Amino acid sequence: AQTVTQSQPEMSVQEAETVTLSCTYDTSESDYYLFWYKQPPSRQMILVIRQEAYKQQNATENRFSVNFQKAAKSFSLKISDSQLGDAAMYFCAYKGNGNKLVFGAGTILRVKS
Amino acid sequence: GAVVSQHPSWVICKSGTSVKIECRSLDFQATTMFWYRQFPKQSLMLMATSNEGSKATYEQGVEKDKFLINHASLTLSTLTVTSAHPEDSSFYICSARDRGRWYEQYFGPGTRLTVT
Repeated sequence: AQTVTQSQPEMSVQEAETVTLSCTYDTSESDYYLFWYKQPPSRQMILVIRQEAYKQQNATENRFSVNFQKAAKSFSLKISDSQLGDAAMYFCAYKGNGNKLVFGAGTILRVKS
Repeated sequence: GAVVSQHPSWVICKSGTSVKIECRSLDFQATTMFWYRQFPKQSLMLMATSNEGSKATYEQGVEKDKFLINHASLTLSTLTVTSAHPEDSSFYICSARDRGRWYEQYFGPGTRLTVT
């Protein structure tokens, strides 16, 4: 079975600075998708970024980018120019051939002004 | 596009009563819907997967008779918590998969259930 590990329960970043959230996963599949979701205090899950495993190029969405290392099974999220609105819980998730999304335990990100 | 709604957003019920939560895909057809439970500061725990017109598939440890799931149409799934008890108090989130985008789930805003 696939697993997703987020080893940082909490992270802090100063406003306008850069922070990287870590995620590793375990799978024997070759085709899959990886996601980062943001869950702010409202608790609405928001898709931040998606990476297809077959694409070597790292996905980027404005201030959010990933470092996808397929061989190492690593998928970290970099947030540049952090803003107060980035404060949330962030979940890394895996989607393979099965129906389910496999979530990591989450990382709480605090942004200091 | 790809909006999922949930109703109600917050419900309080008395112990022993049943409560129904609705999940609707507003602008797409959801062939598959998922129900999650989430405790504070924890990850989402998948409870069950439902496909339109067929019985839901429950995760191990989830009581089928307590958490009744119905997916009667391509835009509506319901979760009924039967004979609710205080330990059922939690945040319930549904998500839906668009027929054409099998790799992505769209999440509803969640329902906070408090059982007194």
